[in-house]
Amino acid sequence: AQSVTQPDARVTVSEGASLQLRCKYSYFGTPYLFWYVQYPRQGLQLLLKYYPGDPVVQGVNGFEAEFSKSNSSFHLRKASVHWSDWAVYFCAVSTGNYAQGLTFGLGTRVSVFP
Amino acid sequence: DMKVTQMPRYLIKRMGENVLLECGQDMSHETMYWYRQDPGLGLQLIYISYDVDSNSEGDIPKGYRVSRKKREHFSLILDSAKTNQTSVYFCASSFPDRTNSDYTFGSGTRLLVI
Repeated sequence: AQSVTQPDARVTVSEGASLQLRCKYSYFGTPYLFWYVQYPRQGLQLLLKYYPGDPVVQGVNGFEAEFSKSNSSFHLRKASVHWSDWAVYFCAVSTGNYAQGLTFGLGTRVSVFP
Repeated sequence: DMKVTQMPRYLIKRMGENVLLECGQDMSHETMYWYRQDPGLGLQLIYISYDVDSNSEGDIPKGYRVSRKKREHFSLILDSAKTNQTSVYFCASSFPDRTNSDYTFGSGTRLLVI
């Protein structure tokens, strides 16, 4: 079965600084990977998604992520964080079989301070 | 605007009462999902629906049942709610294309069972 680990439960960053959120997945086949963001008391919004191809994926609001098969990782990055990025970020994996849905990590809570 | 709509947004029920959570989507997606989100546990899959009257248990189906009589509508039912079913429930839908599967989430229903 597939799984996702987000090793950092909480990250604190200063506004304007760079941000990297780590995601490690476990799946024997070719994964489809997603990053979602959840703002306070809201649902999940898709930031970006990876399908087999270019390992660097561009998303919304300046986010990008890089897939590494050798490291089983899909880390999320942003060059300059804004206060509005204060949210919980979830990494998720799909086997490509929609009948199994998405498997989520536990999320990383990002706090942004001036 | 493509979206998944959940009703109600907030719900308080007494233990033992029946609960109906409703979800609709306007994208003609065949596949729909119910997840619950709890602190420290992330999002867990309760049920999947592949189409009308075609449903399958997810990872944590105990205490829940579902109904899908129309493609655009998927209901989650708690018969005799329990306090440990207090959670945030998310509905999602997906287009079952391996090369372009997208998962769209609703804004969630916050259920408190007292």
